[in-house]
Amino acid sequence: GDSVTQMEGPVTLSEEAFLTINCTYTATGYPSLFWYVQYPGEGLQLLLKATKADDKGSNKGFEATYRKETTSFHLEKGSVQVSDSAVYFCALSDQKGTYKYIFGTGTRLKVLA
Amino acid sequence: EAGVTQFPSHSVIEKGQTVTLRCDPISGHDNLYWYRRVMGKEIKFLLHFVKESKQDESGMPNNRFLAERTGGTYSTLKVQPAELEDSGVYFCASSPRVLEQYFGPGTRLTVT
Repeated sequence: GDSVTQMEGPVTLSEEAFLTINCTYTATGYPSLFWYVQYPGEGLQLLLKATKADDKGSNKGFEATYRKETTSFHLEKGSVQVSDSAVYFCALSDQKGTYKYIFGTGTRLKVLA
Repeated sequence: EAGVTQFPSHSVIEKGQTVTLRCDPISGHDNLYWYRRVMGKEIKFLLHFVKESKQDESGMPNNRFLAERTGGTYSTLKVQPAELEDSGVYFCASSPRVLEQYFGPGTRLTVT
């Protein structure tokens, strides 16, 4: 079945450091891909998405490119801030039937001042 | 526009008791999903409603879980009787169409 693999956390970075959180997927067909973020005490918020190969999603300085050849959707940010501390989830939508999401395990990011 | 709301935010119950979680989707969203995250693991799909009809309940763990969606509006998820392994965070999401889902803050369920 479809699946998403995310890098294990936690990830601890200093402010202004470069961030990469790896995400790879296995899917039949052509899924849509998402990054969601959960800030402390809050629900999941959509960070960015991409619906087809080579699409780049971007938001709040974060970017991710849908790479079909490597089945990847890595999240990057050039300069993280303390306020980026959160749990990040990579997900795919199975594009068939219910379009339910399949999530990775989540990666906790802690940014130190 | 109000977002997806869930109630309660946290519930602590004893093994064998019954708990009912509620989700109010964004007004006008026909699609409603339930997911669950067990401690430290991935968020897993439980079921999907379109209006009041269950479209897919393949993720429901067992028959101790019962979901309903009254009149295609709010939804409830009942666990009866609760077991220790039911502990986790239960998320609800709604969607006006098939692609983008809007999540609620979750209900943290602790079964002792």
